[in-house]
Order: sequence, then C-alpha cells, then structure tokens
Amino acid sequence: KAGVTQTPRYLIKTRGQQVTLSCSPISGHRSVSWYQQTPGQGLQFLFEYFSETQRNKGNFPGRFSGRQFSNSRSEMNVSTLELGDSALYLCASSFEKPDRQFYNEQFFGPGTRLTVL
Amino acid sequence: LAKTTQPISMDSYEGQEVNITCSHNNIATNDYITWYQQFPSQGPRFIIQGYKTKVTNEVASLFIPADRKSSTLSLPRVSLSDTAVYYCLVVNSSIKAAGNKLTFGGGTRVLVKP
Repeated sequence: KAGVTQTPRYLIKTRGQQVTLSCSPISGHRSVSWYQQTPGQGLQFLFEYFSETQRNKGNFPGRFSGRQFSNSRSEMNVSTLELGDSALYLCASSFEKPDRQFYNEQFFGPGTRLTVL
Repeated sequence: LAKTTQPISMDSYEGQEVNITCSHNNIATNDYITWYQQFPSQGPRFIIQGYKTKVTNEVASLFIPADRKSSTLSLPRVSLSDTAVYYCLVVNSSIKAAGNKLTFGGGTRVLVKP
C-alpha cells in the first residue's frame, strides 16, 4: 500500500498570501489529521477530519482551515500568511472501522515545508 | 489530558540498549501510552503502544508499572539509524471522546554514536 502523500513538499510564500496544502491518505483510511511542527512550539495538532466532517480542532486561529473530500483526501488552507506560519505541516491518516471505539495508529506523511518571507 | 515528561536528550553507542523513561502522573483509566519516532524532515512513525505491564514488538519493548504513572521505552542494540526524536504520548482510547488527536511533548533526542 502506498503511504500518506503530501503535496507540495516545499513551498515559499510571502506575508499576506494564502496557501493550500494537499494530503492523500492511505487507501481505506477515513481519518485525516493535520499537525504543524516548528522548532519553537514542536508538534501541534491543527484539526482532524473524518468522513468529510471536522471531528476535532486544535488551538489555532481561524486563518487555518481544512476540508475533506468524499475520497478522504484532505486540504488545509492558511490565509493571510504570517512569518510565524513557517513550519513543517504534517498530515496523518488512520484506519477506523465504523464500530471501532478505540484509538488507531496514525500514519504520517513526509510533510510540506512552508516558508513565509 | 495527561501531560508527559521525558528527558530532552540522550546519547548512546552502537550495540547498546537505550531506555527512555516517561512520566505521566495524571494518566486516566482510558489512556494508553504510545511512542512515536521521528527522523529529521520526516513525519513521526508509530513504534509501540501499551496499557500496562510489558509490550514487545520487533522494534522495541515498553514497560509500564502497575500504577501506570511512568513508562519506559527500551530499544535493544541500537544502531546509527536509530538516531531520532522519540515522543511519549498519552492517548485517550475512546474515539468518541477524543477522536484521533495526538498531543506531542518535546520528545527525547537520541543520538547514537559509532
């Protein structure tokens, strides 16, 4: 099975612009989560989508948004970019049976390195 | 949410066993202890997960005492390629309660020397 893929791998933007990052989960995985990783704040949870619905949200401003499509692929968008948004953005997917109650291992993609100038 | 505390860094040598202890004093009944490994410029990778006593897989062992307030990840006979950051997480086992949100701490930077 192919792993989680993220595009693009690298991106350079300027302040005030917006950006859209894409994530394709492992086939059959319906849960997709997004994380931001910076040297100062470490790995922080952004949000999680399951069956096209946001199921969980971290403490990030409204400039950060996401969505999930019917094929489970997900996108995240950051509007009005700030210098502090420079980070590695990671996507993770997990398999979840409809009746499953418990936590599932998450599989992370390689990330998108965003640089804001 | 149970907070975890683990050493910032550890050095070891090839062939040695590395033990990383994590404390999680406020762990709840529904929480599992989970460890992820992250290499530079890559996403984290799941290593092992346990609830109590000992869990072993082909990569590592996880020791959890009866009170579950701490846990120890053991990496047997490390090699240079085991140089990475290791994260200890406490995960709520209930999807309904917490979804798949992972809360990462600072992790332990393990450097394996030749």
